[in-house]
Amino acid sequence: KAGVTQTPRYLIKTRGQQVTLSCSPISGHRSVSWYQQTPGQGLQFLFEYFSETQRNKGNFPGRFSGRQFSNSRSEMNVSTLELGDSALYLCASSFGGGGNYEQYFGPGTRLTVT
Amino acid sequence: TQLLEQSPQFLSIQEGENLTVYCNSSSVFSSLQWYRQEPGEGPVLLVTVVTGGEVKKLKRLTFQFGDARKDSSLHITAAQPGDTGLYLCAVLTSGTYKYIFGTGTRLKVLA
Repeated sequence: KAGVTQTPRYLIKTRGQQVTLSCSPISGHRSVSWYQQTPGQGLQFLFEYFSETQRNKGNFPGRFSGRQFSNSRSEMNVSTLELGDSALYLCASSFGGGGNYEQYFGPGTRLTVT
Repeated sequence: TQLLEQSPQFLSIQEGENLTVYCNSSSVFSSLQWYRQEPGEGPVLLVTVVTGGEVKKLKRLTFQFGDARKDSSLHITAAQPGDTGLYLCAVLTSGTYKYIFGTGTRLKVLA
């Protein structure tokens, strides 16, 4: 069974640009969550999608957005990049549906903003 | 305000030593998870504890959920270099599908 895949693995962008990251969940999983990980703030929740609907959103500005497709694949977009957006962006998939479901993480996309 | 505080923040020990890391909060949780993250990878789920006072063992790792379900500990016996990594605790916030992660303990086991 293939794991969660994220593309690209590494990305370098310039301030003011926008970026789109992709996440393919484990087959059969309908929930995809996105996280930002930085040395200073740790691992912080961005948003969660289930069956193409955003169910939860973290405390990030509107420059951070996401979507989920009918095949459960998800993308997140960051517009007008700032230096502080440099981070490891992780996605996690699960069956969803509430309760104590298990999350499976991808390897992440390392974004560097210069 | 950080919901989950982990201690210590950093730990460097010799192979064969024992260690305990902690995850503390002032809130009560229905369950708590522990993850390990290695460099260049995403976190990997180690265990989920659900019942207050519950103890779970995974080879040399022992996990305990506090009686009041506000804290948890992870004890590693005879640590090995392969145990090196970032250990994270996480809880699902009540009534949401949103996980909160702890501040993390970065462990380095020297051969």
